[in-house]
Amino acid sequence: DTGVSQNPRHKITKRGQNVTFRCDPISEHNRLYWYRQTLGQGPEFLTYFQNEAQLEKSRLLSDRFSAERPKGSFSTLEIQRTEQGDSAMYLCASSIDSPRETQYFGPGTRLLVL
Amino acid sequence: RKEVEQDPGPFNVPEGATVAFNCTYSNSASQSFFWYRQDCRKEPKLLMSVYSSGNEDGRFTAQLNRASQYISLLIRDSKLSDSATYLCVVLSGGSYIPTFGRGTSLIVHP
Repeated sequence: DTGVSQNPRHKITKRGQNVTFRCDPISEHNRLYWYRQTLGQGPEFLTYFQNEAQLEKSRLLSDRFSAERPKGSFSTLEIQRTEQGDSAMYLCASSIDSPRETQYFGPGTRLLVL
Repeated sequence: RKEVEQDPGPFNVPEGATVAFNCTYSNSASQSFFWYRQDCRKEPKLLMSVYSSGNEDGRFTAQLNRASQYISLLIRDSKLSDSATYLCVVLSGGSYIPTFGRGTSLIVHP
């Protein structure tokens, strides 16, 4: 399968715990995006990388969220001290160099914070 | 006012009907526009890009109206398989940050 993959697909955690999600983009794609989606809403932009450089972060992203893409390939999104409001689907997408190119989404990681 | 607004619907139409959705955007400097389709509990997938001159792909037609700052999606001869949520996406700013609308739900019934 040469599409975008995300792990884990589901995560249940207790409030206050840290969680980390992984995204493996399509191999030749330089751009990698993270989004959060809640029920009845469209995906909300969190951050994106051009190769290993994190070029933009949403102002809505609190300090508890951090993302990395150390070698310009896979990326991780960590949420520290999770809150119930963090419960959502976390989507990763990748695209070739140009931002106007199609974004290909992974299946997402569904997070539930109890 | 939200950056990208869509009527959430649902739009409930019979097979064979023609249905149209609009999506309004607030940033007049927005550069690129797309329609994505999202099936229930699945990831979004690109349906079509929206070009200034309008474009058509089979039963689907997308148009851009820069003066009134909206894009539209027209679906002709609706099929049951068209039932999904249609997300409007606008790229804005120097970094081309994508902003998604909340989506419009379409239900096509027999």
